[in-house]
Amino acid sequence: DAGITQSPRHKVTETGTPVTLRCHQTENHRYMYWYRQDPGHGLRLIHYSYGVKDTDKGEVSDGYSVSRSKTEDFLLTLESATSSQTSVYFCAISENPPPDTQYFGPGTRLTVL
Amino acid sequence: AQKVTQAQTEISVVEKEDVTLDCVYETRDTTYYLFWYKQPPSGELVFLIRRNSFDEQNEISGRYSWNFQKSTSSFNFTITASQVVDSAVYFCALRDDYNTDKLIFGTGTRLQVFP
Repeated sequence: DAGITQSPRHKVTETGTPVTLRCHQTENHRYMYWYRQDPGHGLRLIHYSYGVKDTDKGEVSDGYSVSRSKTEDFLLTLESATSSQTSVYFCAISENPPPDTQYFGPGTRLTVL
Repeated sequence: AQKVTQAQTEISVVEKEDVTLDCVYETRDTTYYLFWYKQPPSGELVFLIRRNSFDEQNEISGRYSWNFQKSTSSFNFTITASQVVDSAVYFCALRDDYNTDKLIFGTGTRLQVFP
């Protein structure tokens, strides 16, 4: 199994508060991704990173920002959480450039009240 | 536009039955990759298989087999002699753009295997 951890695993927060989710990998993979999973939508890409300080937007990036200051960590921030951001968030990594297989972390369940 | 359709929302079978999960994809590209992932009740996503558009050979791995047919744009997944541990949500995904790393997921099929 790929060495990917996500923290926290569960979080409940209130509308308007900032939230940061962390993805940590021990595989030294260059490529990292954040997805959200919602019923009826499968998984959708939020942001991705091709290396330290190299990030780009995915299809549902509004309201989210990311940072990658170290190879092993990829942070997802909800600048001002809204109820529509209640979801399960998955981090993924891949060793090689696209279209290499992505391996997923255990997920973070976020509830915004 | 790229799209993945998993028309079967939920399937229920009894243990030892064979079951096929359908995946139909849309893409304009000639080079693309297809994936299947499994999400058991514990919630993690487990990679099962990757196929590229130039390799149409069917794949078998134990009780799992995959049927890739470009003529019908389908990449179906069959579990033979299903077991309770196969109960999960299964996702099919497509990637067809070398310039981004976007995986297009279907909405998933929930498989319940009853003893």
